[in-house]
Amino acid sequence: DVKVTQSSRYLVKRTGEKVFLECVQDMDHENMFWYRQDPGLGLRLIYFSYDVKMKEKGDIPEGYSVSREKKERFSLILESASTNQTSMYLCASSFSLFFRDGRTGNTGELFFGEGSRLTVL
Amino acid sequence: RKEVEQDPGPFNVPEGATVAFNCTYSNSASQSFFWYRQDCRKEPKLLMSVYSSGNEDGRFTAQLNRASQYISLLIRDSKLSDSATYLCVVNILNTGFQKLVFGTGTRLLVSP
Repeated sequence: DVKVTQSSRYLVKRTGEKVFLECVQDMDHENMFWYRQDPGLGLRLIYFSYDVKMKEKGDIPEGYSVSREKKERFSLILESASTNQTSMYLCASSFSLFFRDGRTGNTGELFFGEGSRLTVL
Repeated sequence: RKEVEQDPGPFNVPEGATVAFNCTYSNSASQSFFWYRQDCRKEPKLLMSVYSSGNEDGRFTAQLNRASQYISLLIRDSKLSDSATYLCVVNILNTGFQKLVFGTGTRLLVSP
């Protein structure tokens, strides 16, 4: 079974603190993603990575950064946490698809971790 | 306008009922389509892909209408265990990368 493991299920941090969320997958997937999920807003893509040391901004990257030093690990960093970053954070991974024109895609099947619920006070 | 729109529900149905959800998408660069299921306090999981010709998996039928830009999911003979949130997902190819865009989900409650 594919396993995506997120380091912390629940975190409580104070405004201004630096927060690290770690994600590890064991299926040798090329693509890794960070989403946040909020009521009424659904899942929104923060950042994704299609290869080691590569990263691309998603729809809401402001206030976040990421790191992918190894293929299996994708970290989300909140440099200075704010109350509006209180949310459920979901990491996911997938295999890549490579298009003839050089663009990179995915198979459509994302494997998610159990999520990290972050509360910023 | 949201890229993927769904009726949030909840849809309350008795066991054995047939229920259908629709989802509309706005980006004509959408290439592939999926339904995910998310149980309460759990992570989303792929339920089924949606093919242009329509496809069926047991009690579940998915259909795609590219002309009208909508996707549907039909559940027949609903079970209590079908209670969950169903997420419509669209794979969009942008300039360099393909990304999955999730709808906000439709909540289904199946009662005895």
